Amino acid sequence: QKEVEQDPGPLSVPEGAIVSLNCTYSNSAFQYFMWYRQYSRKGPELLMYTYSSGNKEDGRFTAQVDKSSKYISLFIRDSQPSDSATYLCAMIHMDSNYQLIWGAGTKLIIKP
Amino acid sequence: GAVVSQHPSWVICKSGTSVKIECRSLDFQATTMFWYRQFPKQSLMLMATSNEGSKATYEQGVEKDKFLINHASLTLSTLTVTSAHPEDSSFYICSAREAGAANEKLFFGSGTQLSVL
Repeated sequence: QKEVEQDPGPLSVPEGAIVSLNCTYSNSAFQYFMWYRQYSRKGPELLMYTYSSGNKEDGRFTAQVDKSSKYISLFIRDSQPSDSATYLCAMIHMDSNYQLIWGAGTKLIIKP
Repeated sequence: GAVVSQHPSWVICKSGTSVKIECRSLDFQATTMFWYRQFPKQSLMLMATSNEGSKATYEQGVEKDKFLINHASLTLSTLTVTSAHPEDSSFYICSAREAGAANEKLFFGSGTQLSVL
């Protein structure tokens, strides 16, 4: 079993819809949770990071962490075609000397 | 935000030649840089961790003699793919951790697509 599970998609939604992207993890030692966006042939771009359960909002993006369920989500409101990209979750636990553990990434397609 | 410049963006080379990829932190000092490799439709795989002024730490299965990493200054790390072969063709990405910051503030280069003929 992988430490971090993420559905690779693709996930296709119409423009303006609310998008929900999710990751599950198995190691309760994870303490930091990040979401990255990656356009084709580009490096990942950090969107949000959090280290506590609950919600964190930044513009159209909301990151949600539920440590009891070992489940994290990224919500995108009013989705735009420019949001089409691969979204990767990543996590850190101190036991691994700050190594990032990555999800496989979900390819998101926003249809105009 | 902080900027990491990675160069070149694309490189095509003949089998047997060596290729050097540079990763520079432009407006901050990076005590640690990470090198990743990404195969199509797969996530990033950490190859090595590079600390300024010391030898890089390679992940299991990564050949240190094949992938030479140098981190001679707080703003520059290089990855040299020696005697490249077609199986080395991949997308390589570097990231830099700002001095004194925890890993949640990593900044990424734009990546280098290597094609070995």
